[in-house]
Amino acid sequence: QQPVQSPQAVILREGEDAVINCSSSKALYSVHWYRQKHGEAPVFLMILLKGGEQKGHEKISASFNEKKQQSSLYLTASQLSYSGTYFCGTGAGLTGTASKLTFGTGTRLQVTL
Amino acid sequence: DGGITQSPKYLFRKEGQNVTLSCEQNLNHDAMYWYRQDPGQGLRLIYYSQIVNDFQKGDIAEGYSVSREKKESFPLTVTSAQKNPTAFYLCASSPLDSNTGELFFGEGSRLTVL
Repeated sequence: QQPVQSPQAVILREGEDAVINCSSSKALYSVHWYRQKHGEAPVFLMILLKGGEQKGHEKISASFNEKKQQSSLYLTASQLSYSGTYFCGTGAGLTGTASKLTFGTGTRLQVTL
Repeated sequence: DGGITQSPKYLFRKEGQNVTLSCEQNLNHDAMYWYRQDPGQGLRLIYYSQIVNDFQKGDIAEGYSVSREKKESFPLTVTSAQKNPTAFYLCASSPLDSNTGELFFGEGSRLTVL
């Protein structure tokens, strides 16, 4: 069953913050985040493992709450380059887990001037 | 530069025809994957392969076939049995011993059935 992402779409002004949520009905071991710009390949942002460790990538960070079976992606002081569709992928393991990933439906983020 | 190359980028097909999408990688990755992307549905796994001459069905394998004769290549055939083949297809690869589980994607092939 696909994880549910919210919101489905969001429009921000440059410099504003955003939070994208990813919730699963199944117990999770890992959560993967990707960004896909229009017409381009998805690009890996980060992976979070069971244990609730928060990760960071420039001004983009994420948390993983295994009890709630959800992850949140935080975009701080958004830039125009952050525009794109963000996908979470939830997994049952780590090594070779791409075959076990189930991707959410995506959140479209648009940053404007 | 290392990466994944998919071709063709755009493809039109008549109903009843088989079509093959190419995926080549020079990253020396063991694992390769095919995903289908439809509007509002995210990425769904079609097939994956972790070693040459072996592959496994994903969540939506019906109407598709693959081969893995070389480590670098993982072509996908969309057969006439696929009921709704119009979609965006993404190929990806990953090293099996990765501690990040990162997928490396190609730029995709958009198939339209006329």
